[in-house]
Amino acid sequence: GAGVSQSPSNKVTEKGKDVELRCDPISGHTALYWYRQSLGQGLEFLIYFQGNSAPDKSGLPSDRFSAERTGGSVSTLTIQRTQQEDSAVYLCASSLEASGADTQYFGPGTRLTVL
Amino acid sequence: KQEVTQIPAALSVPEGENLVLNCSFTDSAIYNLQWFRQDPGKGLTSLLLIQSSQREQTSGRLNASLDKSSGRSTLYIAASQPGDSATYLCAVWRSNYQLIWGAGTKLIIKP
Repeated sequence: GAGVSQSPSNKVTEKGKDVELRCDPISGHTALYWYRQSLGQGLEFLIYFQGNSAPDKSGLPSDRFSAERTGGSVSTLTIQRTQQEDSAVYLCASSLEASGADTQYFGPGTRLTVL
Repeated sequence: KQEVTQIPAALSVPEGENLVLNCSFTDSAIYNLQWFRQDPGKGLTSLLLIQSSQREQTSGRLNASLDKSSGRSTLYIAASQPGDSATYLCAVWRSNYQLIWGAGTKLIIKP
């Protein structure tokens, strides 16, 4: 595809349920990033991948959050036992490399609502 | 700890005006600084990336400046148009992969 895609676009779930969010990066991009944007807040870095490896997971808010990337392409962000404070827009981005000079291209996001 | 602040939080101006959006950061040790635009339901679009050794970047009606020593960047928009209405985000590259974000300035251009 031409850009970064994310699915689902919207997810409503009940507190305590697990959710999986998917990101399809731009083909050929080796770096992939996950961010969270809460209402009225700036984006919060969660994790990034270089290839299939995640060198920095320090932004994950708790051990209920995990992410994986397979085949150097698709990534999934999993939130277990969701809480109401997990409600936010989850954004994925990709870039050619994690070089500090390559622009990150963003997907449209997944809006997660935990009831 | 790097913190990024954007002022104002919201701005509404008539079409045709020139305007300036401000971004400040607390730690001058940055890789780069980048300005993004966020449209509802469409994700973020990169506008300008200023490397730490540069002082400004220009693209069309947009000009971004960077003053590392004072911890400031400005985004100048000339001859504003209704299509410029969006939220503008400033992000500081803390490392080669991690961006620290401001909360954004919501801009409305009135026809």
